[in-house]
Amino acid sequence: DTGVSQDPRHKITKRGQNVTFRCDPISEHNRLYWYRQTLGQGPEFLTYFQNEAQLEKSRLLSDRFSAERPKGSFSTLEIQRTEQGDSAMYLCASEQYFGPGTRLTVT
Amino acid sequence: GQQLNQSPQSMFIQEGEDVSMNCTSSSIFNTWLWYKQDPGEGPVLLIALYKAGELTSNGRLTAQFGITRKDSFLNISASIPSDVGIYFCAGQGGTSGTYKYIFGTGTRLKVLA
Repeated sequence: DTGVSQDPRHKITKRGQNVTFRCDPISEHNRLYWYRQTLGQGPEFLTYFQNEAQLEKSRLLSDRFSAERPKGSFSTLEIQRTEQGDSAMYLCASEQYFGPGTRLTVT
Repeated sequence: GQQLNQSPQSMFIQEGEDVSMNCTSSSIFNTWLWYKQDPGEGPVLLIALYKAGELTSNGRLTAQFGITRKDSFLNISASIPSDVGIYFCAGQGGTSGTYKYIFGTGTRLKVLA
């Protein structure tokens, strides 16, 4: 399968815990994007990478959020000290193509 | 965060009818995309538009890049039950020169058999 994959698909965590999500993009794509989507809304831009360089971050991305893309391949999104308001679908896109998303529930 | 305006917000139509929806922005874009999203899944790319005035088809779907570069339209002809879902537009580029995509608020389509 040469599409975009995300892991895990679902994550339930307790408030205050740290979580990390992984995205494996389409191999020849340079740009990788992270979005957050809450119920009834369109995806909201969080950050994007051009190869390994993180070129833009949304003001939505608090300092509890960090993203990396070592060697310009897969990417990780970490949320520290999770809050209930972090509950959402986290979507990764390889150029214009989305992965299936990771559904985060913070209890 | 910033989101584009999509209209209508939702619509019920009979199977076989044609559907039209649009997306507007206060900013100009260089690229317009249209996606369909099913519950619990990521958005699936339907059509990409790269030039003002461009009209592109994908099967029963036709989309246009508005000549002002501030809007785009999606039409679905002869709707079928599997067209049910949420349709999102997304714009990229423009005067800011950024590569990020801004998404619309979505149009929820329900098809009555």
